[in-house]
Amino acid sequence: GAVVSQHPSWVICKSGTSVKIECRSLDFQATTMFWYRQFPKQSLMLMATSNEGSKATYEQGVEKDKFLINHASLTLSTLTVTSAHPEDSSFYICSAGGQASSGANVLTFGAGSRLTVL
Amino acid sequence: AQSVTQPDIHITVSEGASLELRCNYSYGATPYLFWYVQSPGQGLQLLLKYFSGDTLVQGIKGFEAEFKRSQSSFNLRKPSVHWSDAAEYFCAVGPNQAGTALIFGKGTTLSVSS
Repeated sequence: GAVVSQHPSWVICKSGTSVKIECRSLDFQATTMFWYRQFPKQSLMLMATSNEGSKATYEQGVEKDKFLINHASLTLSTLTVTSAHPEDSSFYICSAGGQASSGANVLTFGAGSRLTVL
Repeated sequence: AQSVTQPDIHITVSEGASLELRCNYSYGATPYLFWYVQSPGQGLQLLLKYFSGDTLVQGIKGFEAEFKRSQSSFNLRKPSVHWSDAAEYFCAVGPNQAGTALIFGKGTTLSVSS
């Protein structure tokens, strides 16, 4: 249980285009979604936290107009990298927090999305 | 400030040898502690977690970790390392609340020599 699906796994795009990454909780309701960014050989850095139906809260230094986060339902959150540039190339990982049917708190990570901007 | 420190950036152990990866944390409230493993280009896999109770927790793949409150540590151990254990290991801390993100350490890269 508590499975999170993240799509796409790999994406290559041209500079200036926008890319959308989806994160879905498959068997539980994700009241909160977290989006992380990971540079090569680095740790995970929290970009933003979103609660279903509310605006995302961005960490300091993260451009909210560049990294658009939508959490319109309890099972889906999306991260859109707008006008992507090569420096946006990174590994993006989502994490969904909520409650399983048993009532236990769950926090599960997606498999990540590798973005390469040419 | 809340933080997680993994003092060892890179560790190499021989296959079959024992392993200990260190993790120290600074956290204001009662911490909930996690160890994750990440293979190259992959997402995170939860190895084990500690919420309360027995301070020695067992995880998957033969890993265990011991919570020592007096030392603010949560070290990961494995008695006999396999070549497939080579990966990046992250220690993380957080509250048991659905709306709060985990804080990650910088990770330790484990290499296994034959």
